[in-house]
Amino acid sequence: GDSVTQMEGPVTLSEEAFLTINCTYTATGYPSLFWYVQYPGEGLQLLLKATKADDKGSNKGFEATYRKETTSFHLEKGSVQVSDSAVYFCARPPYGGSQGNLIFGKGTKLSVKP
Amino acid sequence: GAVVSQHPSRVICKSGTSVKIECRSLDFQATTMFWYRQFPKKSLMLMATSNEGSKATYEQGVEKDKFLINHASLTLSTLTVTSAHPEDSSFYICSASLGGPASKAFFGQGTRLTVV
Repeated sequence: GDSVTQMEGPVTLSEEAFLTINCTYTATGYPSLFWYVQYPGEGLQLLLKATKADDKGSNKGFEATYRKETTSFHLEKGSVQVSDSAVYFCARPPYGGSQGNLIFGKGTKLSVKP
Repeated sequence: GAVVSQHPSRVICKSGTSVKIECRSLDFQATTMFWYRQFPKKSLMLMATSNEGSKATYEQGVEKDKFLINHASLTLSTLTVTSAHPEDSSFYICSASLGGPASKAFFGQGTRLTVV
């Protein structure tokens, strides 16, 4: 079935380091792709999304490009901050799905040290 | 943006009792809401799809008699964990969507349930 695979954490970086969190998805259909962020003790928040191939989603300095040829949607940030410490989830809807049902990756915990 | 409110944020209950969790869409009507469960160090797993005015659709392996879902109005869905046991302790999150295949989902803050 449909799935999303993202790199396992935890990832520990120093402030201002470059961040990449890999995400690949099963290539059924042409799904929208999402990155959600969960800060400690909070629910999920949409970080960014892309709806078609070659689209680039961006928000708060984070970017991810929808790569159909590699079925990837890697999350990047050029210079992380301590406040970026959180768990990041890559997600897609199931093939043929609608109404906001999402399949999530296992999440990648990011810790940024000052 | 759209707001989904979940209540309570934390609850501790005794084993054998029932707990109700509410999920409200505050500024839009949600015909469909989703309930997820998040296990420690694991991803969110969809438990069920809550449809306004009809029965919920449960994912395989989720006990419908244990996790009762009611979606009586376009702005409220409830999840009741009946006869809770310690293994039901988890983080439960609801979401609602404005609709459409590319529509983003709005999540509640989540409920940390601890059964003692």
